[in-house]
Amino acid sequence: QEQMVESGGAVVQPGKSLRLSCEASGFIFSGHGMHWVRQAPGAGLEWVALIWFDGTKPDYADSVKGRFTISRDNTKNTLYLQMNFLRAEDTAVYYCARDTWRDGHTTFDKWGQGTLVTVSS
Amino acid sequence: DIEMTQSPSSLSASVGDRVTITCRASQSISRYLNWYQQKEGKAPRLLIYVASSLESGVPPRFSGSGSGTDFTLTISSLQPEDFATYYCQQTYSAPPAFGGGTKVEI
Repeated sequence: QEQMVESGGAVVQPGKSLRLSCEASGFIFSGHGMHWVRQAPGAGLEWVALIWFDGTKPDYADSVKGRFTISRDNTKNTLYLQMNFLRAEDTAVYYCARDTWRDGHTTFDKWGQGTLVTVSS
Repeated sequence: DIEMTQSPSSLSASVGDRVTITCRASQSISRYLNWYQQKEGKAPRLLIYVASSLESGVPPRFSGSGSGTDFTLTISSLQPEDFATYYCQQTYSAPPAFGGGTKVEI
């Protein structure tokens, strides 16, 4: 069945780095754009980053631009999020989400289970 | 950037009730509006796309309407498994922003 499994979440100190992974299976990974979305404790959903199906055109929320890098390896069916210069406000559950076009526009139609990142000294 | 505002932020309802949630965009987004359901401790689930199209496997008691700046999600007869938080999302232009969420409680 189609699924995505995130990993890499941890407790890290402010200013440190962390890399998240999202391994996909059960579908043609290279045929979909992919997103990272995060959710701080008790808060709503915040879009973080997007990468196109072929690894091009990365885009970022202003809150992470210049600190986070999204990438993918289609040979490994894996999406990544490199997070540098982490701040307390980056504390959240991070989800990867699959982008599927329906009726000509983007939907986030499949989500991983999430991985928790806690930034604390 | 386009901002999405949902109302109410929470509501109390009973099984069998008709529930309506509103989402307003800060500028016209045509019909490029998705709705998601999130249960406690779980990942979001796509319910409705392009304002009114039902995602495969979603019960027909869920429906969406609207265009331009004003949209609604309606649950025609609330079931126990529908108690969750609902989010709207615009995909008209980057970044694909979410609304603040509406928590549907018993």
